[in-house]
Amino acid sequence: EAQVTQNPRYLITVTGKKLTVTCSQNMNHEYMSWYRQDPGLGLRQIYYSMNVEVTDKGDVPEGYKVSRKEKRNFPLILESPSPNQTSLYFCASSGLAGGYTQYFGPGTRLTVL
Amino acid sequence: GENVEQHPSTLSVQEGDSAVIKCTYSDSASNYFPWYKQELGKRPQLIIDIRSNVGEKKDQRIAVTLNKTAKHFSLHITETQPEDSAVYFCAARAGYGQNFVFGPGTRLSVLP
Repeated sequence: EAQVTQNPRYLITVTGKKLTVTCSQNMNHEYMSWYRQDPGLGLRQIYYSMNVEVTDKGDVPEGYKVSRKEKRNFPLILESPSPNQTSLYFCASSGLAGGYTQYFGPGTRLTVL
Repeated sequence: GENVEQHPSTLSVQEGDSAVIKCTYSDSASNYFPWYKQELGKRPQLIIDIRSNVGEKKDQRIAVTLNKTAKHFSLHITETQPEDSAVYFCAARAGYGQNFVFGPGTRLSVLP
């Protein structure tokens, strides 16, 4: 089954404790992105990747890091989380195989205390 | 950078009526405009999209129109049904990269 998976789905942590949210897709998609969703603000792109080892900043990259060492994986790293990073996070992928339609993962709800 | 505005923020219609959601964008280089539907507690899902070389696209009860000169595009849902109730997001992408900018969303309620 074609899908985008994220882990964990829910996470409560404390300020300053490094965390990683994983994202994986099995559709051989070239492109992957991370978004955060906050009430009234829609989805805002954090980072995106055009291919392995190629990443670029979206609109709200501050406080986040990403890496794309393999085509299927695109982890989001918060090295020193702060309460303003409490949000719902979505990973998405797209590529030639799917007509470049963005497929979203199930979301990760992060709370930083 | 790109800025996408979306109106209205909430919309209530009677079942069977039509619903229209409008978006404007600022970057004339934007060339791809998808619309997503997000049901409560679920992930966004693409419902229709349009590219800048097309003025209108239709898929059953859903249509999207694009006016490049005015830099706005609209989602039209006809014969609305209760299952159309959700939050709808428009988005714009400039060039052929992957930098998407989303509108803030419209909460559509279809009343039986």
